[in-house]
Amino acid sequence: GQQLNQSPQSMFIQEGEDVSMNCTSSSIFNTWLWYKQEPGEGPVLLIALYKAGELTSNGRLTAQFGITRKDSFLNISASIPSDVGIYFCAGRAPGTASKLTFGTGTRLQVTL
Amino acid sequence: GAGVSQSPSNKVTEKGKDVELRCDPISGHTALYWYRQSLGQGLEFLIYFQGNSAPDKSGLPSDRFSAERTGGSVSTLTIQRTQQEDSAVYLCASSHPAREVTEYGYTFGSGTRLTVV
Repeated sequence: GQQLNQSPQSMFIQEGEDVSMNCTSSSIFNTWLWYKQEPGEGPVLLIALYKAGELTSNGRLTAQFGITRKDSFLNISASIPSDVGIYFCAGRAPGTASKLTFGTGTRLQVTL
Repeated sequence: GAGVSQSPSNKVTEKGKDVELRCDPISGHTALYWYRQSLGQGLEFLIYFQGNSAPDKSGLPSDRFSAERTGGSVSTLTIQRTQQEDSAVYLCASSHPAREVTEYGYTFGSGTRLTVV
């Protein structure tokens, strides 16, 4: 099925550093979402984006819906140990009702 | 309930046996989704139920996989004659009909980790 290309696959950073990850698609999306998954849990929604060019923040997290509607990025500023987890992008394509397509995930490790 | 509940949380089964995975969505959520997460992979869509409409089964990988949703609430995902490549975490999610996934996204359960030996 349709997949999103998410990069990087993994990141090892020091506490306090900023993080950036992105997702690209070969087709357009109407909605972009970013989720975080911690070990043994299901993904939890962080940020939702609804229109091209939209820039949205949630605390130290900032995400943007690309102008072309084919990409999105997530930034985390001043990382802390509890940011550790797997971050997934997800998109809803036109005409697919509420079904989401998920990226392959970015595994984030934060060292002290 | 307060969240999406899945059971069992872990299941180890022998190759060739059938397994049933259960999902209890959030009360009032008419949309229910099953995804599969293999080790190191993203979430792979399996099946989607919306109210009384026919389910979208386009993601089921083979005819060994089936799912049903009784009374518009609880859902069961059944895998027949399990194989080792079926080993994965099976995640269930539900969403509110009026607010749609565009507002809040899905709410996921904690998943069932299936290991086929």
